[in-house]
Amino acid sequence: QLQLQESGPGLVKPSHTLSLTCAVSGGSISTGNYYWSWIRQHPGKGLEWIGYIYYTGSAHYNPSLKSRVSISVDTSENQFSLSLRSVTAADTADYYCCGAALFYNYAMDVWGPGTTVTVSS
Amino acid sequence: QSALTQPASVSGSPGQSITIPCTATDNDVGGYNYVSWYQHHPGKAPKLIIYDVNNRPSGVSDRFSGSKSGNTASLTISGLQAEDEADYYCNSYTSISTGVFGGGTKVTVL
Repeated sequence: QLQLQESGPGLVKPSHTLSLTCAVSGGSISTGNYYWSWIRQHPGKGLEWIGYIYYTGSAHYNPSLKSRVSISVDTSENQFSLSLRSVTAADTADYYCCGAALFYNYAMDVWGPGTTVTVSS
Repeated sequence: QSALTQPASVSGSPGQSITIPCTATDNDVGGYNYVSWYQHHPGKAPKLIIYDVNNRPSGVSDRFSGSKSGNTASLTISGLQAEDEADYYCNSYTSISTGVFGGGTKVTVL
């Protein structure tokens, strides 16, 4: 059974780059059966879709974040990563990685437990 | 980014049915049947409960059902139970190959 686990710093300084990694276990990231996605939730707010990447490297991003965000995939390590540049306090959130199965037409059926990132000096 | 509008809160008594609407403000979103719904208990990861408007993944209770009419998708929870108290989010695929979530609906079981 596919399992995802986020990792990365819990505290990032303003103007720096937020970097998170999602390790995929229980299956290969290269099977082509999933779009690998990042979602976040600001404190007390709703879910926000950040973007997704296919194992080929093709990625799509939330237009509101597109200028600062990039998602990459490392098939050799069976993981994918999120990079968010020039962060501010507004980027403080719980970040989730997830898999959107092609079978489910982009619906996200596998989720990591989430990780909290605080942007503060 | 397209927007999906949900009511902030919906409540019901145990055993009742409730419906949560999700209205697309952009025709590019409303024209798709790639609508999914997620249940989110605080402190836990969201859980997929409906995909493609009205399909349930394996293992999801048949008390959850989805539908769509025009630009509005809806989630119905039948036979409301205490464990259904959570936040619920709709999500849609868009014409620019992105995803978008609704603002979320807090379901309270009275």
